[in-house]
Amino acid sequence: DIQMTQSPSSLSASVGDTVIITCRTSESIGSYLNWYEQKPGEAPKLLIYGASTLHTGVPSRFSGGGSGTDFTLTISRLQPEDFATYYCQQSYTTPRSGFGGGTKVEVK
Amino acid sequence: EVQLVESGGALVQPGGSLRLSCAGSESSFNTFALSWLRQTPGKGLEWVSALSGSGSTTYYADSVKGRFTISRDTSKNTLFLQMNSLRAEDSAVYYCAKRMFASGDDAFDVWGQGTLVTVSA
Repeated sequence: DIQMTQSPSSLSASVGDTVIITCRTSESIGSYLNWYEQKPGEAPKLLIYGASTLHTGVPSRFSGGGSGTDFTLTISRLQPEDFATYYCQQSYTTPRSGFGGGTKVEVK
Repeated sequence: EVQLVESGGALVQPGGSLRLSCAGSESSFNTFALSWLRQTPGKGLEWVSALSGSGSTTYYADSVKGRFTISRDTSKNTLFLQMNSLRAEDSAVYYCAKRMFASGDDAFDVWGQGTLVTVSA
């Protein structure tokens, strides 16, 4: 199985900050990496697929990068509604897939 | 956009059975590739099972293979997950999700709201 490691597991930030979350996989997955946002009591929502393509309706302050084994999710100009938990997911072994452990973005 | 609504979660004893349902809001639901995933505070998000768009191929995580069965009733626009021989470690919020395919990429673009399964004596 492909192991996925997200870091940090949590971070504190302020509105207007730029936040960078990383996801590392145990083997190369090309660009088959997706990012999701989840708020308490809600299902995850797709933000980015194919490592860098913004899903429909997702604000442009979200961006994704990387390939192979190292990936990033960047949130520029953090907004109040962005305080949430973010997960990476590999679709290289689709339909079987795995998720990172999550990164909780909290208010500083 | 299609909406997915899960139901069927409950408290069940170890060794028991449960059937989860996921109803789609439109008939195109019957052509979607769909998956069940689950989430616990301890283990995070875990993929459980998948059904191909044609409905002819099924996939299972090793942790549920032989115990869970995924299926679809096209007359009811509904996806099912039959769960047998339930264990405490199957306790989780279960989500159904639609797989999206775009330019060779594959992601879960529509999720249900989740249904809670608790396995406990």
